[in-house]
Amino acid sequence: AQSVSQHNHHVILSEAASLELGCNYSYGGTVNLFWYVQYPGQHLQLLLKYFSGDPLVKGIKGFEAEFIKSKFSFNLRKPSVQWSDTAEYFCAVRGSNYQLIWGAGTKLIIKP
Amino acid sequence: NAGVTQTPKFRILKIGQSMTLQCTQDMNHNYMYWYRQDPGMGLKLIYYSVGAGITDKGEVPNGYNVSRSTTEDFPLRLELAAPSQTSVYFCASSPRLAQDIQYFGPGTRLLVL
Repeated sequence: AQSVSQHNHHVILSEAASLELGCNYSYGGTVNLFWYVQYPGQHLQLLLKYFSGDPLVKGIKGFEAEFIKSKFSFNLRKPSVQWSDTAEYFCAVRGSNYQLIWGAGTKLIIKP
Repeated sequence: NAGVTQTPKFRILKIGQSMTLQCTQDMNHNYMYWYRQDPGMGLKLIYYSVGAGITDKGEVPNGYNVSRSTTEDFPLRLELAAPSQTSVYFCASSPRLAQDIQYFGPGTRLLVL
């Protein structure tokens, strides 16, 4: 069965620190990859997505993610986090049956 | 546009009771979804719909029913609530299935005691 693994359930960083959130998936075919974010009190919303082409994709608010096919990974990065990045981040993969498979999420807390 | 709206925001049910979680979208999207999120777990797909009158099971459909009589509405029905259905329920919609992002509602927190 397809699965998505997010390595860290909770991450605490200080402002201006660099961020990398891991995401690995288990499907070997063509995939569409997503990172969604849920800010406190807000709806889940799309942060960025990868369908094809350049494996380094840029999203909103300075986030980026790199698709490494050989490692089945789609890690999320930001060079310098802000307090407003405090949120829960979800990685999701669309595989063969067009349904999204979701990771468990990573709660990110940024200390001011 | 209100986007995707869900009611209620929070509900406590007794075991065996039934209820309907409402979901409405005003974006004229064909595809709609119901997910549940348990603590420490990713979202699991319960049911989805590809258009009015067409629904299909997702990964965890047992204990739930859905209907889609209009493009806008996609209610989720719990017939006999069980403690295992304590969860946060999210409704989402998308214009197309394969490559479009999903737009989410705010969620319904359900507690079954």
